[in-house]
Amino acid sequence: GQQLNQSPQSMFIQEGEDVSMNCTSSSIFNTWLWYKQDPGEGPVLLIALYKAGELTSNGRLTAQFGITRKDSFLNISASIPSDVGIYFCAGLPNTNAGKSTFGDGTTLTVKP
Amino acid sequence: DGGITQSPKYLFRKEGQNVTLSCEQNLNHDAMYWYRQDPGQGLRLIYYSQIVNDFQKGDIAEGYSVSREKKESFPLTVTSAQKNPTAFYLCASSTDREGTYGYTFGSGTRLTVV
Repeated sequence: GQQLNQSPQSMFIQEGEDVSMNCTSSSIFNTWLWYKQDPGEGPVLLIALYKAGELTSNGRLTAQFGITRKDSFLNISASIPSDVGIYFCAGLPNTNAGKSTFGDGTTLTVKP
Repeated sequence: DGGITQSPKYLFRKEGQNVTLSCEQNLNHDAMYWYRQDPGQGLRLIYYSQIVNDFQKGDIAEGYSVSREKKESFPLTVTSAQKNPTAFYLCASSTDREGTYGYTFGSGTRLTVV
């Protein structure tokens, strides 16, 4: 099946720093989604992207749908301790797959 | 408030026993999904259902079974055939059958085999 390569696998940063993570695939996706999972909880949708080149913000979070439609990026500006968690990318291919493909996640640790 | 509810939050099972995890949504969502998450790993799809009375195997369906008799409910049974069932199980739903607008996840059930 289709695979999403999400990187980095983990990040340890200082509070106030900016964060960048990305997701790449060998296949084209029509939709890119970014989720955050707090410890012991289910993931929560952060941002959804539907067009190549689209740039969408949600507070301090900004995500981009790559021009090639094979990648997506998530940036977090001025990180705070509550940004800690696992960030997942997910993609919907250009077929009626009926389900998203998820990346393996980026675990973010923020040091106060 | 609408949402998706998983119960119980923690579940302990003896080896060789079947156990059923509950997932209920009152969002009027068409599609529902079950994922398994192991420590430090991503989400692996077990089963999904796009419509009542129909469901499809995901990537790791062996040792699991589901039913979708009502739109609101999508229970998952972990059978004794599942060799390594200890994991965090997540149920999700989506507005449309493709999941175009993303998933709403439940809070998860942590299953431990003792």
